[in-house]
Amino acid sequence: QQKVQQSPESLIVPEGAMTSLNCTFSDSASQYFAWYRQHSGKAPKALMSIFSNGEKEEGRFTIHLNKASLHFSLHIRDSQPSDSALYLCASSNMGYKLTFGTGTSLLVDP
Amino acid sequence: GGIITQTPKFLIGQEGQKLTLKCQQNFNHDTMYWYRQDSGKGLRLIYYSITENDLQKGDLSEGYDASREKKSSFSLTVTSAQKNEMAVFLCASSTGGENTLYFGAGTRLSVL
Repeated sequence: QQKVQQSPESLIVPEGAMTSLNCTFSDSASQYFAWYRQHSGKAPKALMSIFSNGEKEEGRFTIHLNKASLHFSLHIRDSQPSDSALYLCASSNMGYKLTFGTGTSLLVDP
Repeated sequence: GGIITQTPKFLIGQEGQKLTLKCQQNFNHDTMYWYRQDSGKGLRLIYYSITENDLQKGDLSEGYDASREKKSSFSLTVTSAQKNEMAVFLCASSTGGENTLYFGAGTRLSVL
């Protein structure tokens, strides 16, 4: 059974700072890695995903993936108060079963 | 674009009661999911359905039943509500496999 763990559990950063969120996974056969964001009381929404080792950038958001170390991360450049939310990482081995992490609660202090 | 509609938004039940949550999607997606979220934490997979008439157990299926009545709808039944149970149940759909999941706003369950 795939285990996905996130760290830290919660994080407060000042507006304009770089935010780094971490995710580790247990299944070395995992092929698909994604980050979702959930604002308070709202539905989770997909942010971005990656399949191959390396990094992928979309606007202020960057994913890093290192399959050998069973680790991927999300970096938010120039963090904004609107980025305050619960961040959920997820992975799968290309099947239909997407396993989510425990979540990181981010607060960007204006 | 499409939308996922979950009903009811809030559900209050009694201990031991059988409770049913419903989900409808108009994306025309093949795959649908039910996840449980406790106290603003991570999501745990209860059931998923790859296509109409298919049902697959997730990691948390004990105590739940599911039904994929047609392509657009997926229901979840709590077979016997546990006292003081509080959670949000999230329905999602996707085109399948590694593709993006689209979530509904959730059903908040409280058991007295």
